[in-house]
Amino acid sequence: KAGVTQTPRYLIKTRGQQVTLSCSPISGHRSVSWYQQTPGQGLQFLFEYFSETQRNKGNFPGRFSGRQFSNSRSEMNVSTLELGDSALYLCASSIRTSGRTTNGGTGELFFGEGSRLTVL
Amino acid sequence: ELKVEQNPLFLSMQEGKNYTIYCNYSTTSDRLYWYRQDPGKSLESLFVLLSNGAVKQEGRLMASLDTKARLSTLHITAAVHDLSATYFCAVGKKETSGSRLTFGEGTQLTVNP
Repeated sequence: KAGVTQTPRYLIKTRGQQVTLSCSPISGHRSVSWYQQTPGQGLQFLFEYFSETQRNKGNFPGRFSGRQFSNSRSEMNVSTLELGDSALYLCASSIRTSGRTTNGGTGELFFGEGSRLTVL
Repeated sequence: ELKVEQNPLFLSMQEGKNYTIYCNYSTTSDRLYWYRQDPGKSLESLFVLLSNGAVKQEGRLMASLDTKARLSTLHITAAVHDLSATYFCAVGKKETSGSRLTFGEGTQLTVNP
């Protein structure tokens, strides 16, 4: 069974540019969530998508956005990049059957390899 | 706001020794996870703990959960070099947070020969 796939794995951008990251979840997983990992702030939740709808959002500015497609693939976008956006962006998928709960599931997240963004 | 604290943040130990990593969290939760991260790599799921008193073991690692004390432990038995990595605990709330987990700062473990 294929794992969570993220592309691109590495990218370099300059301040003011925008970036789009892609995530394909494990087959059958309908929930995709995004996390930012930096040395200073650690792992922080960005947002979660389920059934093409954003279900949860972390404390990030509006420059960070995302979407989910009907095949559960997800993209996140960061506009007007700042130096502080340099980070490892991790996508995670999980089984979720409906609503805001996992309906008896464990809620376990399976992470992709991440997209490492460097902003110059 | 849910806060998760791990200690120690850095742990250097000799092969063959035992040690415990602690994870405290601030509000009621019904699910706790342990992850491992190797340098430059993603997070690998180690344990899922869903109830008070839950204990899971895999090889030299054993995790437990005490929801009353809001504490989870990750115990390392007879450490080997391959266990060197950063270990994270993460806490979620089934009914309200979906896939939103709050992570601890991570414990960087180095096992020396």
